[in-house]
Amino acid sequence: DIQMTQSPTSLAASVGESVTITCLASEDIYGSLVWYQQKPGKSPQLLIYGATILEDGIPSRFSGSGSDTQYSLKINSLQPEDFASYYCQNGLSTPWTFGGGTKLELK
Amino acid sequence: EVQLVESGGGLVQPGRSLKLSCLASGFTFSNYGMNWIRQAPGKGLEWVASISSSSSYIYYADTVKGRFTISRDNAKNTLYLQMTSLRSEDTALYYCARQAYTTDYYYFDYWGQGVMVTVSS
Repeated sequence: DIQMTQSPTSLAASVGESVTITCLASEDIYGSLVWYQQKPGKSPQLLIYGATILEDGIPSRFSGSGSDTQYSLKINSLQPEDFASYYCQNGLSTPWTFGGGTKLELK
Repeated sequence: EVQLVESGGGLVQPGRSLKLSCLASGFTFSNYGMNWIRQAPGKGLEWVASISSSSSYIYYADTVKGRFTISRDNAKNTLYLQMTSLRSEDTALYYCARQAYTTDYYYFDYWGQGVMVTVSS
């Protein structure tokens, strides 16, 4: 199984700042990396797939990068609605594995 | 508008069974693979099971293999998860999610609101 390791597990930032979350796969997933945002009490929402492709309707301040085993999610100019949990996911093969999550909190 | 509405959750004793349903609308259900994904209270996401559009391919997480059965009825636009021999560690919010596939990339593009399953005596 492909293991997904996210870091950091939590992160405090201020509105307007930029943050980066990283995700490390235990083997090459050939760019098949997915990012989700989950707000408290809500279902996860798709942000990015294919490591870099922004889902329709997602603001351009979100961006993804990476290849092979190392990936990252960058959020520029944080907005109040961005404080949430973020998860990466192996999109290459079953079992579909998720990272442990990163909780982005307001400083 | 794509909608996925789960039902069938509740409180159940260890060792008992429960069947979840997910009613889909707003898209051609028979064209999409579907999944169950769960989230234990305060924890992260865990994929549970997948079923292809025609039920030809079915996959399970090792943690539920042999105890859970995923199925679908395309005529009723409904996804199911039959859960047997339930354990306390199965306590979670269970989401159904649509699987999208684009140029070699798989991902879950729509999620239901989730249904809570609590396994406790």
